[in-house]
Amino acid sequence: GQQLNQSPQSMFIQEGEDVSMNCTSSSIFNTWLWYKQDPGEGPVLLIALYKAGELTSNGRLTAQFGITRKDSFLNISASIPSDVGIYFCAGLNRDDKIIFGKGTRLHILP
Amino acid sequence: GAVVSQHPSWVICKSGTSVKIECRSLDFQATTMFWYRQFPKQSLMLMATSNEGSKATYEQGVEKDKFLINHASLTLSTLTVTSAHPEDSSFYICSASLAAFRDYEQYFGPGTRLTVT
Repeated sequence: GQQLNQSPQSMFIQEGEDVSMNCTSSSIFNTWLWYKQDPGEGPVLLIALYKAGELTSNGRLTAQFGITRKDSFLNISASIPSDVGIYFCAGLNRDDKIIFGKGTRLHILP
Repeated sequence: GAVVSQHPSWVICKSGTSVKIECRSLDFQATTMFWYRQFPKQSLMLMATSNEGSKATYEQGVEKDKFLINHASLTLSTLTVTSAHPEDSSFYICSASLAAFRDYEQYFGPGTRLTVT
């Protein structure tokens, strides 16, 4: 079935550093989504991307929809403690179902 | 707006018993609700899609007789795990969407952690 490969699996960074994570797939998606999940909570949508090449920002977050429609990346600038959590990429497939990546766990070192 | 709640937030039950989890859209009417399952340190896996007033559509490999889904109203869907076993222990998350929303606009509940002893 369709799979999304998300990397890195986890990151340990210092507060204030920039973060970059990406997601690739062997399948084409027409919509790419980025979610954040806090422990014991459901995921919250951060950014949605609709067109190949699209670059969208939401505060300190920036995400891009790859030209091939098979990849996307998410950048977080000047990380702060509340950025800790699990970031999932997801694609909307032809059946309008959301396919999630395995997540990138972001840890911020004190 | 677009708040989804789940109840209970966590539940412990004995093997062989059944557990019902509720998912409610609090400030909108959800024509479609989705049920996901998430194992520790894993991604969310879609279990089933339910539309109000009709039978749920289950993903391949999900036992419909074990995971009973009822979407009786536009604001409530329930997932019943029947004859639960320890391997059913997981984090169950629902989401809800409105037909007028874009397809991806699913609003997720906070999840229910099920532990079967």
